Amino acid sequence: QLQLQESGPGLVKPSETLSLTCTVSGGSISSSSYYWGWIRQPPGKGLEWIGSIYYSGSTYYNPSLKSRVTISVDTSKNQFSLKLSSVTAADTAVYYCARHRSRLAAPYNWFDPWGQGTLVTVSS
Amino acid sequence: QSVLTQPPSVSGAPGQRVTISCTGSSSNIGAGYDVHWYQQLPGTAPKLLIYGNSNRPSGVPDRFSGSKSGTSASLAITGLQAEDEADYYCQSYDSSLSGSGVYVFGTGTKVTVL
Repeated sequence: QLQLQESGPGLVKPSETLSLTCTVSGGSISSSSYYWGWIRQPPGKGLEWIGSIYYSGSTYYNPSLKSRVTISVDTSKNQFSLKLSSVTAADTAVYYCARHRSRLAAPYNWFDPWGQGTLVTVSS
Repeated sequence: QSVLTQPPSVSGAPGQRVTISCTGSSSNIGAGYDVHWYQQLPGTAPKLLIYGNSNRPSGVPDRFSGSKSGTSASLAITGLQAEDEADYYCQSYDSSLSGSGVYVFGTGTKVTVL
């Protein structure tokens, strides 16, 4: 059974860079059929897709965050990571990692499974 | 700001049927893109409930059903149970920004079992 687990600092200072890692277990991140994505949810609010990566390193991002986001992959560790720069209080959220199918099927893609999520608070 | 609009809340007594609407536009649901639904129990991650407009993953009770028409989609819960009390989100794909598509989520609906 595929499982995803987010990890990283729970507190980040304003203007600094948020860094999180998602570890995949029970399956290979190098599967040719899937992309791996990041989604966030501010406290009490809705969900926002941040971006996704293929095991080859191919990425695509939400245009609203693209200038601040970098997603990378480490196939040797079965992990992928998120970096969000110049954070503000508006970036305070629970960050989830999740799997979806190939980008070629983007208009028909859903996210499953999801990690349990990790709360990141931006505060000095 | 989400491009998919859901009612903030719906409620029903145990055993009743409730429906949640998800209204989009010609650049997402109306463009023929699929709609998917997630259930988020308090303090937990979203869980896939319906995919491809009307398909249930293994393990999801048949009390949950989805449909899509035009620029909208709906999730129906029949035989409402106390354990169904949760937040529900629709999700689709939007191509309104030139050359760049985005996965989009609905505003979310809280289901309360009376």
